[in-house]
Amino acid sequence: AQTVTQSQPEMSVQEAETVTLSCTYDTSESDYYLFWYKQPPSRQMILVIRQEAYKQQNATENRFSVNFQKAAKSFSLKISDSQLGDAAMYFCAYMNYGGATNKLIFGTGTLLAVQP
Amino acid sequence: SAVISQKPSRDICQRGTSLTIQCQVDSQVTMMFWYRQQPGQSLTLIATANQGSEATYESGFVIDKFPISRPNLTFSTLTVSNMSPEDSSIYLCSVDRYGQAVGEAFFGQGTRLTVV
Repeated sequence: AQTVTQSQPEMSVQEAETVTLSCTYDTSESDYYLFWYKQPPSRQMILVIRQEAYKQQNATENRFSVNFQKAAKSFSLKISDSQLGDAAMYFCAYMNYGGATNKLIFGTGTLLAVQP
Repeated sequence: SAVISQKPSRDICQRGTSLTIQCQVDSQVTMMFWYRQQPGQSLTLIATANQGSEATYESGFVIDKFPISRPNLTFSTLTVSNMSPEDSSIYLCSVDRYGQAVGEAFFGQGTRLTVV
């Protein structure tokens, strides 16, 4: 069974600084997706960034980028120029590619605080 | 993207009663998913609902406790039956939009359930 591990329950960053959130996963599959979701106090789960395992190039979305290390099964999220609105719970998630059901497997989350 | 409306947004219920949560999507989707997020915890998949077939439940979740309906391609309900305080959680509906961004999930805003 696939598992996702986030070893940092809480992180803090100064506004305008850079922070990296860690995520490791375990799978025997070769094709899959990895995601970072953000959950602010409003509870709305918002997709931050998505990575296909077959792509060697790391995904980037504006201030958000990932460091995808497939051999190491590592998928970290880097937030540059942190803003107060980035404060939220961040979940790393895994999904099998082409499975019978495209269910997400979530890590336990990292609570990010942004200090002004 | 997909717009997902989930109702109610929150409720306080007496133990032993049942609550039905509704999830409406603004377009037809193949799969709908129901997740539970216990206080301070990550998201756990309850079941996958496909239109025209019985829902597929994950280990630890049973149909008698969490009956699900999926009458058409835009709507689903989750019932939490015979509630106890341990059922106090956020319940989230999610969809996966094939053809749009395969492997990308969209979430409703969740239902915060408190059982007293």
